[in-house]
Amino acid sequence: DAGVIQSPRHEVTEMGQEVTLRCKPISGHDYLFWYRQTMMRGLELLIYFNNNVPIDDSGMPEDRFSAKMPNASFSTLKIQPSEPRDSAVYFCASSYLAQETQYFGPGTRLLVL
Amino acid sequence: LAKTTQPISMDSYEGQEVNITCSHNNIATNDYITWYQQFPSQGPRFIIQGYKTKVTNEVASLFIPADRKSSTLSLPRVSLSDTAVYYCLVGDWTGANNLFFGTGTRLTVIP
Repeated sequence: DAGVIQSPRHEVTEMGQEVTLRCKPISGHDYLFWYRQTMMRGLELLIYFNNNVPIDDSGMPEDRFSAKMPNASFSTLKIQPSEPRDSAVYFCASSYLAQETQYFGPGTRLLVL
Repeated sequence: LAKTTQPISMDSYEGQEVNITCSHNNIATNDYITWYQQFPSQGPRFIIQGYKTKVTNEVASLFIPADRKSSTLSLPRVSLSDTAVYYCLVGDWTGANNLFFGTGTRLTVIP
């Protein structure tokens, strides 16, 4: 398996634009997680899915953020409209069970100007 | 929510053993303890996981006292490539709700 795949790896956009981050989990993993990492706040869990169903989105900062998982092999995290404070590295991770090892993707480095 | 407390940073010389302690005073019966390692510009990577006593693998050892209110990650004979951020997580068996990474411990290995 190629591991967790994220795209794009880097994204630079202007404030107010829509940003869509993509993730392909490891095949067979039932859990998918979206994280955000900044220097100030460290690594924060935004939302996670079990069998394509969102289970806990309490970490999603506000209504500008939304996440979907239309099938077992694809998930998106959308920010609309984007703001400079959204600049961060966004990681996607997947695991077979919730309490088992999470495998992280390489991350998407987002810069909102 | 069993949050964790770790030192912000640590320095060590090459070849030394490094012990990073994590406090988790509110750990629950169903919680397990997991450590991740993160290199710059990469996602975190699983190192070791345990519930009680001692766990050892090819990378590290994890020591958990009987009261489980703390845990210690032990890295034997560190090298420059062990320079990374190390996260201690405490989570229960029922789901991912309580997984909290925090800011971790930044370990710098000095030549």
